[in-house]
Amino acid sequence: DAKTTQPTSMDCAEGRAANLPCNHSTISGNEYVYWYRQIHSQGPQYIIHGLKNNETNEMASLIITEDRKSSTLILPHATLRDTAVYYCIVRVGGDYKLSFGAGTTVTVRA
Amino acid sequence: KAGVTQTPRYLIKTRGQQVTLSCSPISGHRSVSWYQQTPGQGLQFLFEYFSETQRNKGNFPGRFSGRQFSNSRSEMNVSTLELGDSALYLCASSLALWAGVSTGELFFGEGSRLTVL
Repeated sequence: DAKTTQPTSMDCAEGRAANLPCNHSTISGNEYVYWYRQIHSQGPQYIIHGLKNNETNEMASLIITEDRKSSTLILPHATLRDTAVYYCIVRVGGDYKLSFGAGTTVTVRA
Repeated sequence: KAGVTQTPRYLIKTRGQQVTLSCSPISGHRSVSWYQQTPGQGLQFLFEYFSETQRNKGNFPGRFSGRQFSNSRSEMNVSTLELGDSALYLCASSLALWAGVSTGELFFGEGSRLTVL
């Protein structure tokens, strides 16, 4: 799997959008970009994934650059419950050997 | 729909003992993966099972083993426990369609927290 680079931490004000960047400059054409988050002492939670196009679901939006070397996860209206470690992962579909990295610790402040 | 269930949630063992952890995947999911999470190493892949066969294995010693039953439930075993085996052990399940055909996101359980004294 390609390696990803994420900022170590970031703060966000409650109610504002949180934009989480991820670099994956060595991504292959058949690798997807996945985002998971882990709230303290819980198992990781799937957020969203994409291949080329931007994606949106009820939790977040995923913006992937045209060259696919980077992406941004957007939490449109951050709440205190969004405080968590966010992991950006790239992997081939059907490969369950995920490399999580250190992730970004997001703290949402009131 | 019930999520991934892991038992026990917490357990304490002493060095040299062995431990067995259990994972019941989401109904219909055929792939089960195991991960170890420690403060120093983060989340590390242990192994993945599909249809009772181990398909992939991480870089862990032979003391770590697992198996999957015909109903997709899985167990992992750690023998001759060491202090460094203290960790949160996470199980994840997925539909596991063929590689390259489906993206198949993983659904994680709450984990089993093992403390080795």
